[in-house]
Amino acid sequence: SQQGEEDPQALSIQEGENATMNCSYKTSINNLQWYRQNSGRGLVHLILIRSNEREKHSGRLRVTLDTSKKSSSLLITASRAADTASYFCATDKGAGGQNFVFGPGTRLSVLP
Amino acid sequence: GAGVSQSPSNKVTEKGKDVELRCDPISGHTALYWYRQSLGQGLEFLIYFQGNSAPDKSGLPSDRFSAERTGGSVSTLTIQRTQQEDSAVYLCASSFPDRVRGYTFGSGTRLTVV
Repeated sequence: SQQGEEDPQALSIQEGENATMNCSYKTSINNLQWYRQNSGRGLVHLILIRSNEREKHSGRLRVTLDTSKKSSSLLITASRAADTASYFCATDKGAGGQNFVFGPGTRLSVLP
Repeated sequence: GAGVSQSPSNKVTEKGKDVELRCDPISGHTALYWYRQSLGQGLEFLIYFQGNSAPDKSGLPSDRFSAERTGGSVSTLTIQRTQQEDSAVYLCASSFPDRVRGYTFGSGTRLTVV
């Protein structure tokens, strides 16, 4: 089973609206990251949030982390057509393992 | 280099043939990872290298898959006797050992086994 799972699987919004994507995970973590992927190729790192942080901002991105609920959310404000992509959360495995585990992703479509 | 470089970008091979995929990480990144992504799916971890330590091979799906990293830099992922289910995009990523700045991914190699 996935360590991280994004919700919803697909999201379609109008340009200018906000987009919220959620990620749930199962085991304790040290860090959680969000990535964007365009056209099924390389992923681009967006933001990393540590387990002792609750919220981080980067430009139009806002990430929250609730370790008690084992969940994170990614908010993109004032969306643009160029934000159309798949978004993945990635979690480490806390005390075990060195690699990050990726969820299946949320496919975001921003309509002009 | 400025980014993670992968080659080839596309590879079509016949079932049963061996293939080699190459990854050239960012200079100074001691950690290197291989992931596989099937169409419309998430990323599946394959193998992880960190410096001179023994690699974490726990994600390799079968003994047909192997990888090496020479001189702590370039890595080669080899798939022997390819099968159609091996068709996927193979992504390489590198990072500093603390990973707090995230991974930098290459553009991937799209492997198609016919």
